[in-house]
Amino acid sequence: EAGVTQFPSHSVIEKGQTVTLRCDPISGHDNLYWYRRVMGKEIKFLLHFVKESKQDESGMPNNRFLAERTGGTYSTLKVQPAELEDSGVYFCASSQYGQGTASYEQYFGPGTRLTVT
Amino acid sequence: GENVEQHPSTLSVQEGDSAVIKCTYSDSASNYFPWYKQELGKRPQLIIDIRSNVGEKKDQRIAVTLNKTAKHFSLHITETQPEDSAVYFCAARNYKLSFGAGTTVTVRA
Repeated sequence: EAGVTQFPSHSVIEKGQTVTLRCDPISGHDNLYWYRRVMGKEIKFLLHFVKESKQDESGMPNNRFLAERTGGTYSTLKVQPAELEDSGVYFCASSQYGQGTASYEQYFGPGTRLTVT
Repeated sequence: GENVEQHPSTLSVQEGDSAVIKCTYSDSASNYFPWYKQELGKRPQLIIDIRSNVGEKKDQRIAVTLNKTAKHFSLHITETQPEDSAVYFCAARNYKLSFGAGTTVTVRA
């Protein structure tokens, strides 16, 4: 079974530019999550999709961040315009759909390391 | 919201010794507590989890304990090996996962 994949693995951009990160969840997983880890700190929740709907976007830092999941498959996270503080590792995770705890286990992608200079 | 504190931030142990990582959480409604291991250059992977109706869970050399009253949970690794070297994250879930800041574990041969 293929795991969660993310593209690109690394991205270096200048302040003010735009970057789009992509996440492909495990096939059949309705839940998709975006997280960010700034160096040395916690993995911080950004948002949660259930299929194509945004279930919770309370962790999105500001309106420079836009996440989409058209068709309920892969997701993109766009940062426009990028600022220095946006640097970090962006993780995507997916889990099965369900109301019970069976849906709790999240499978992580390898992350995209974003550096804004 | 949930706040998860994790200690220590770094831990160095001699091969064969035990390692213990402790986490506290703030939201008494949290009911699921996973631990993730992230090896260098790799993705975080779930190594063990515990639900709020259980006090302790063990899987070979790793074990997790949960004290709901005190709102803390711990990861115990016994007979550490070099391949246990990694960053370990604890997390707590009420309606979403909140992570600790991670513990970098180094096992000295």
